[in-house]
Amino acid sequence: SQKIEQNSEALNIQEGKTATLTCNYTNYSPAYLQWYRQDPGRGPVFLLLIRENEKEKRKERLKVTFDTTLKQSLFHITASQPADSATYLCALDRLGGNTPLVFGKGTRLSVIA
Amino acid sequence: DADVTQTPRNRITKTGKRIMLECSQTKGHDRMYWYRQDPGLGLRLIYYSFDVKDINKGEISDGYSVSRQAQAKFSLSLESAIPNQTALYFCATSPDAMETQYFGPGTRLLVL
Repeated sequence: SQKIEQNSEALNIQEGKTATLTCNYTNYSPAYLQWYRQDPGRGPVFLLLIRENEKEKRKERLKVTFDTTLKQSLFHITASQPADSATYLCALDRLGGNTPLVFGKGTRLSVIA
Repeated sequence: DADVTQTPRNRITKTGKRIMLECSQTKGHDRMYWYRQDPGLGLRLIYYSFDVKDINKGEISDGYSVSRQAQAKFSLSLESAIPNQTALYFCATSPDAMETQYFGPGTRLLVL
């Protein structure tokens, strides 16, 4: 069966450390993978997109990797801050492009000062 | 003004009632989506529309219907609400095949 899994429901880290979140998928062949941030009671906000032929993407303190052999994406936040505390969702296209996204259940990140 | 708006933001209704949730967007996107979010289950796709004449079922469409009145408007209806439809509902839009999505603020629905 098809699955998209974010391994940790919750992750607590100290301010200043690097947070690493994992997204694994099974029986999908995505053309790209996306990461979103969601604050409590609000809609998800797009952060980064990485295509299947890209190994790594960066945006400010954020870095995403995509390994289609391992079927895994890693999402890193460097020099984390309490304001980074939120739920982070990964999402991928269902059938390899031009199809709706399927979302993971998310990892709730808490950055402790 | 917000690019994607949802009305109402909160709604309490009773079992068996018909209810409509509305979504409007000013982003000029062709693609629109309805999701529900439940604790522990994540975001699940109810219906989606790639243009005004295109309506498609998502993974959990039973008990729901939609109407795409215009490029900017996409409504979700619960014909006869039941308690397990209590959830947070999100509308989203996207501009193209790369599917980066822009979400509305959500509607919190409670069915008693």
